[in-house]
Amino acid sequence: DAKTTQPNSMESNEEEPVHLPCNHSTISGTDYIHWYRQLPSQGPEYVIHGLTSNVNNRMASLAIAEDRKSSTLILHRATLRDAAVYYCILRRVSGNTPLVFGKGTRLSVIA
Amino acid sequence: KAGVTQTPRYLIKTRGQQVTLSCSPISGHRSVSWYQQTPGQGLQFLFEYFSETQRNKGNFPGRFSGRQFSNSRSEMNVSTLELGDSALYLCASSQLAGGSTDTQYFGPGTRLTVL
Repeated sequence: DAKTTQPNSMESNEEEPVHLPCNHSTISGTDYIHWYRQLPSQGPEYVIHGLTSNVNNRMASLAIAEDRKSSTLILHRATLRDAAVYYCILRRVSGNTPLVFGKGTRLSVIA
Repeated sequence: KAGVTQTPRYLIKTRGQQVTLSCSPISGHRSVSWYQQTPGQGLQFLFEYFSETQRNKGNFPGRFSGRQFSNSRSEMNVSTLELGDSALYLCASSQLAGGSTDTQYFGPGTRLTVL
């Protein structure tokens, strides 16, 4: 499986934008980029996913580099509720592949 | 729609015992996956079931087993419990069996403590 690299931790002020980076230099052309997050004492929850183009939804935006070797999850205005561990995961198009979680980035939001 | 439910939420067992955890997926979802989360190893995939068939299995010993019923509910069993089995066991359901765009919805987990 292609691997992802994320910073261990990041900090943000409340109501500021947050850019969470993910490197995936060995990504293949058939890998989708998924982001999940895990709030304290909860199971992970889906945030967003994309293949090549930038994606937006009500939770976040996903910016994908042109060479697809990196991506950035953007939270436009961080709230205290966004404090969580964020996981960047690659999923192959073909086959039934489970989610392979790395260590993720622990985001702290300061009031 | 109700979310993924897992029972029990907390469980304390002793070494050598066995345990059964239950997961009810979101209505209409046919795929159920199980994950183990520990502070040391993080989130690790155990197995996935789709339409009562195991489709994928992670790298865990045979003491870990599971099954899925015709109503898509799933159970996982751990026999001969070891101290290292203490973990949060998470269940996730999805409409499809894997796939690159399939979203998984996780339950709150069952916290298992082995003494």
